[in-house]
Amino acid sequence: DIQMTQSPSTLSASVGDRVTITCRASQSISSWLAWYQQKPGKAPNLVISKASSLESGVPSRFSGSGSGTEFTLTISGLQPDDFATYYCQKYNSYPLIFGGGTKVEIK
Amino acid sequence: EVQLVESGGGLVQPGGSLRLSCAASGFTFSSNWMSWVRQAPGKGLEWVANIKQDGSEKYYVESVKGRFTISRDNAKSSMYLQMDSLRAEDTAVYYCARTRIATAIFDCWGQGTLVTVSS
Repeated sequence: DIQMTQSPSTLSASVGDRVTITCRASQSISSWLAWYQQKPGKAPNLVISKASSLESGVPSRFSGSGSGTEFTLTISGLQPDDFATYYCQKYNSYPLIFGGGTKVEIK
Repeated sequence: EVQLVESGGGLVQPGGSLRLSCAASGFTFSSNWMSWVRQAPGKGLEWVANIKQDGSEKYYVESVKGRFTISRDNAKSSMYLQMDSLRAEDTAVYYCARTRIATAIFDCWGQGTLVTVSS
């Protein structure tokens, strides 16, 4: 099975910072990658699909890039509402796999 | 408004069974694949299973094959997860998720139901 590795596992940042989260696939998944945001005690929320397509209603400070095996989620100008855990997910084939998550916490 | 509401979670002994339900509203249920995703306490997300619109195709993560069965009733806009031979490692919050048409991403989630497997 393809493995999905996220880094870092925890990221400490301040409001207004630009933060980047990386997700690496053990084999090429083309652009079949999604990103989710999850806040404590809540269900995940889809942020980006197909590596770089921003979901409706998601602020434009979120962006995604990459293809093949390396992907990034960038938040330009971190806001208080953005402190959460972020997961990548590959969906090119079964099994559907999530990365281990990156917790963005307040510095 | 799209809504997914899970029910059926609880405490069960190892080796026991439990049936989860997901009631959907606010969209044409029969148009979408549907999925179950779980999250063990303090851990990350794990896809468990999904089912095609008409129930003719089902996929499972390896760790639940032969123990869990996903099903749906389009007339009732509902999806189910029959969980047998439960193990401690199945303890998790189980989320029902709508799968976006022509993809395998989860674009709407329920609030989750907690399953605890313990003696």
